[in-house]
Amino acid sequence: GNSVTQMEGPVTLSEEAFLTINCTYTATGYPSLFWYVQYPGEGLQLLLKATKADDKGSNKGFEATYRKETTSFHLEKGSVQVSDSAVYFCALAWVGQFYFGTGTSLTVIP
Amino acid sequence: DAMVIQNPRYQVTQFGKPVTLSCSQTLNHNVMYWYQQKSSQAPKLLFHYYDKDFNNEADTPDNFQSRRPNTSFCFLDIRSPGLGDAAMYLCATSGLEGGRNEQFFGPGTRLTVL
Repeated sequence: GNSVTQMEGPVTLSEEAFLTINCTYTATGYPSLFWYVQYPGEGLQLLLKATKADDKGSNKGFEATYRKETTSFHLEKGSVQVSDSAVYFCALAWVGQFYFGTGTSLTVIP
Repeated sequence: DAMVIQNPRYQVTQFGKPVTLSCSQTLNHNVMYWYQQKSSQAPKLLFHYYDKDFNNEADTPDNFQSRRPNTSFCFLDIRSPGLGDAAMYLCATSGLEGGRNEQFFGPGTRLTVL
């Protein structure tokens, strides 16, 4: 079956630290992969996506590379800001079904 | 800007009193979804529509119903809300069923049950 396994949180970092949130997936086919961000009290916003192996999605300083050989889609940012504090969800889409990871809460402290 | 709109953002109802949440979209997408989300957990899919075709998840309680009168609007009806139904309800849209496209989410409606 299809599933997403995401790094457990919460994660607390100091401003300007390097961020990695791990995400691995299991899929029966060739899914699209996504990272969504959810700020407190808000809906989910698409942060970045990749639709095939070796694609790199990037947005607002965040990056993730679709790695078929390791079935991973880890989220990275070189220097986090306080405004990046949110919950991050990894997700995959395949034949119209969406599968979310459990979410990772990130808090960035000044 | 094309978007997904949910009203109201906050809804308070009483135990057992029916409530309706609404969602509209200007993206002209075929597929609309309703999710329930509790305490920053992953969203849980309740059902989705492809055009007017309704698809219920197997574990969605009968207490939850939905209507989609046209492409732009979709409603979530909770017939007899219980305390356990307090949650954030998210509406989402997608351009193609059966595909690998992203979903676009609305801001959510926070439901409180007293």
